[in-house]
Amino acid sequence: NAGVTQTPKFQVLKTGQSMTLQCAQDMNHEYMSWYRQDPGMGLRLIHYSVGAGITDQGEVPNGYNVSRSTTEDFPLRLLSAAPSQTSVYFCASRSRDLGRKTEAFFGQGTRLTVV
Amino acid sequence: DAKTTQPPSMDCAEGRAANLPCNHSTISGNEYVYWYRQIHSQGPQYIIHGLKNNETNEMASLIITEDRKSSTLILPHATLRDTAVYYCIDFNQGGKLIFGQGTELSVKP
Repeated sequence: NAGVTQTPKFQVLKTGQSMTLQCAQDMNHEYMSWYRQDPGMGLRLIHYSVGAGITDQGEVPNGYNVSRSTTEDFPLRLLSAAPSQTSVYFCASRSRDLGRKTEAFFGQGTRLTVV
Repeated sequence: DAKTTQPPSMDCAEGRAANLPCNHSTISGNEYVYWYRQIHSQGPQYIIHGLKNNETNEMASLIITEDRKSSTLILPHATLRDTAVYYCIDFNQGGKLIFGQGTELSVKP
């Protein structure tokens, strides 16, 4: 099992460019989420999904789009990158199982710099 | 917004127990107490969770007060590799996982 895989690991964008951060999980988890973490801060929820075809906004959704066409993939799109979106982005997945196996698994992050 | 309150930082001597407190002033009946940690900007890692009873696993112990308004994560014999930011979260297992600012634990030799 690879767990949660994020690509790319590092990216530099110019202001106004668009790009897609990829996230894939091989654990057949229903729930997937995107977070951003600014230097010295905690994680803030951007968007999340409770299953294929279903997405919803988190705490800081502006400037980002998501879609969930398959259980495995949850890409995050930056429509027009801004310097304020310079951050580390984490993807997470977890099972809907309401038993004990509800912990979230996180990817290793994508470090994005917008210049 | 995160609903828990944690001290911003703590120190612990290597080999001693690290006791990390958390206040859950608005926790509701269907929310669990979850603890995660983040080592040096890696992705957060699950540690332990509980509802009402105290819990123990290979990583840590979790003590939850009877009124569920506070909890304590215990690392029984802290090592330098336990230096990390620790997050406590009130979590409805069908809902969103919202992080607060966490406690930065420094384990010192």
